[in-house]
Amino acid sequence: AQTVTQSQPEMSVQEAETVTLSCTYDTSESDYYLFWYKQPPSRQMILVIRQEAYKQQNATENRFSVNFQKAAKSFSLKISDSQLGDAAMYFCAYRSRVGGSEKLVFGKGMKLTVNP
Amino acid sequence: DVKVTQSSRYLVKRTGEKVFLECVQDMDHENMFWYRQDPGLGLRLIYFSYDVKMKEKGDIPEGYSVSREKKERFSLILESASTNQTSMYLCASSLASGGVYNEQFFGPGTRLTVL
Repeated sequence: AQTVTQSQPEMSVQEAETVTLSCTYDTSESDYYLFWYKQPPSRQMILVIRQEAYKQQNATENRFSVNFQKAAKSFSLKISDSQLGDAAMYFCAYRSRVGGSEKLVFGKGMKLTVNP
Repeated sequence: DVKVTQSSRYLVKRTGEKVFLECVQDMDHENMFWYRQDPGLGLRLIYFSYDVKMKEKGDIPEGYSVSREKKERFSLILESASTNQTSMYLCASSLASGGVYNEQFFGPGTRLTVL
């Protein structure tokens, strides 16, 4: 079974600085998706960024980018120019592409605090 | 915009009560999911449904059942609520993948307290 590990339960960053959130996963599959989801306080979970395992190029979405290291099974999220609105729980998630699986496997989450 | 709504943001029930959590999506999504979110444990899948009247167990189905009579509505049922079911419950929906990734959209969550 696949597992997703977020080893840092909490992090903090100064506004306008850069922070990197780490995530590792374990799988025997070669084709899959990886995601970062954000859950702001008392607000809905939203997708931040996704990466397809067969793509070597790291995904980027404005201030958010990933460092995908397939051999190391590592998938970190970099937030540049941090803003107060980035404060949230962040979850890393894995989804298999084998057999049309729809299931997401989530990490335990990490709380990001942004200091003004 | 996709909208996933859940019937209650906060719910307080007593041990042994039958509890219904409702989820409705308005984008004609085939897939719907129920997760449980607990501090330090992340999100864990309880059940999901890929079509009307179809369901599959997730990772922690014990103590729960589900119902999907209409495409837009997916209900989570706690037959006899227990204190260890006190948690945040999140509903999500997505289009059927057909080999292509489709994003899961989440509802606001229901925080259930069982006394």
